[in-house]
Amino acid sequence: QVQLVQSGAEVKKPGASVRVSCKASGFTFTSHYIHWVRQAPGQGLEWMGMIHPGGAGTTYAQKFQGRVTMTRDTSTSTVHLDMSSLRSEDTAVYYCARVAISDCYTGCWFDPWGQGTLVIVSS
Amino acid sequence: YELTQPLSVSVALGQTATITCGGNNIGSKNVHWYQQKPGQAPVVVIYRDNNRPSGIPERFSGSNSGNTATLTVTRAQAGDESDYYCQVWDSSTVVFGGGTKLTVL
Repeated sequence: QVQLVQSGAEVKKPGASVRVSCKASGFTFTSHYIHWVRQAPGQGLEWMGMIHPGGAGTTYAQKFQGRVTMTRDTSTSTVHLDMSSLRSEDTAVYYCARVAISDCYTGCWFDPWGQGTLVIVSS
Repeated sequence: YELTQPLSVSVALGQTATITCGGNNIGSKNVHWYQQKPGQAPVVVIYRDNNRPSGIPERFSGSNSGNTATLTVTRAQAGDESDYYCQVWDSSTVVFGGGTKLTVL
C-alpha cells in the first residue's frame, strides 16, 4: 500500500540543525511531489515547501527560505528535510505528505501523510 | 491569502454539523478538507470541493461558492469528533485554514 514512514523523534539545542527523513513505498517515487507540513503543539498546520523527487525541483514557503533544504535520494525512495538555526519556536511535529495525483504541481491534495516526527528544540 | 475557520463547532449526536472556510473568492479555487484526530496525521475527507476519497462515509460532503467553502457532516457520530482543516493553493503555495474542532455532544 502507499505509505510514507518518517524517522524518529529528535531533541536539539537552539542553533543546531536537524534532518527529518521520509521513506516512500507503494508508488512510483519519482512521479509525486512530496510536501512538508509542520504543526506546533496545540496549533494548526503550517506548509513548509515541496520537492519533486524526479527532478529534485523545490519550492519553499517564504518563511523558511534560507533555513530549510529539501532533498531526495532516489536509490532509497527517501526525501529529507534539513532545517538549520533551530529555535524554540521550531518545536513541532513535522509531517511529509504525498500529492495524490502524479506530477500535480498545484491544486491537488495530500494523500497519504507520514506518521509525523516530533522535533523538540530546547536548551 | 488567508483562510478563516471557526475555532469550534458543536453538534448533537445524529445531527448535522457545518464547518465553514472563508477566503477571498474561494469559489474560484479547489478546496480540500482534512480530518485530524489527536496524535494522528491528517486524512483527506473531501478533495476538489465535493469529492470523497474511497473509504470516507457518504455522511461527509462539501461545497464551495463565492467567499465560503463548507464541509458538512450529516448524522454526526462520536467518531467524527476531530479537528478539521481546509486547504487551498494560492500562487504555487499551500494555504491551510486555522482548523476547527468539531465536538459531538
